Amino acid sequence: DAGVIQSPRHEVTEMGQEVTLRCKPISGHNSLFWYRQTMMRGLELLIYFNNNVPIDDSGMPEDRFSAKMPNASFSTLKIQPSEPRDSAVYFCASSFLAGELFFGEGSRLTVL
Amino acid sequence: GQQVMQIPQYQHVQEGEDFTTYCNSSTTLSNIQWYKQRPGGHPVFLIQLVKSGEVKKQKRLTFQFGEAKKNSSLHITATQTTDVGTYFCARGSSNTGKLIFGQGTTLQVKP
Repeated sequence: DAGVIQSPRHEVTEMGQEVTLRCKPISGHNSLFWYRQTMMRGLELLIYFNNNVPIDDSGMPEDRFSAKMPNASFSTLKIQPSEPRDSAVYFCASSFLAGELFFGEGSRLTVL
Repeated sequence: GQQVMQIPQYQHVQEGEDFTTYCNSSTTLSNIQWYKQRPGGHPVFLIQLVKSGEVKKQKRLTFQFGEAKKNSSLHITATQTTDVGTYFCARGSSNTGKLIFGQGTTLQVKP
């Protein structure tokens, strides 16, 4: 299995631009998570889906952030408009039946 | 609330010394998971503890779950340079799979 696949691995953009991060979970996993990691705030859970349905989005910072999971093999996290404080590593992870999380390599976002 | 507190935040040890990180919660934990993240890498699952008082070993790593299920610890015996990284505990939900991570303990090992 290829594991959780995220793209892009690195993105540098300017403030105000739209950013879209993509994730392909492990086939057969029924839960998908988006985390953000910074030095100051650690690993923060932004949102998670069970069976493609958003269950808890209380960690989404504000309306500029949105996440979708149109099918079991694809999810996106969108930031519009982006701000410098959004700079972080964004991880996608998937799991099966509340088991261990498998993380992707992460998307490192820099907003100038 | 749902937070888990980890201490210490950082630990520097000489290679061969032991290392312990602690994870504490004010509320009872359904289960606890431990992850390791190497510098520049992503978190990788180490183990899950479910039962009160549970102790599990993986080579030089020993994981414990407290009797009251409010704390957990990870102990590494005779650290090696390959143990360098950040160790996270995460509180889990038995039914939703939601995982909330602690702040992590970053381990540095001097050769």
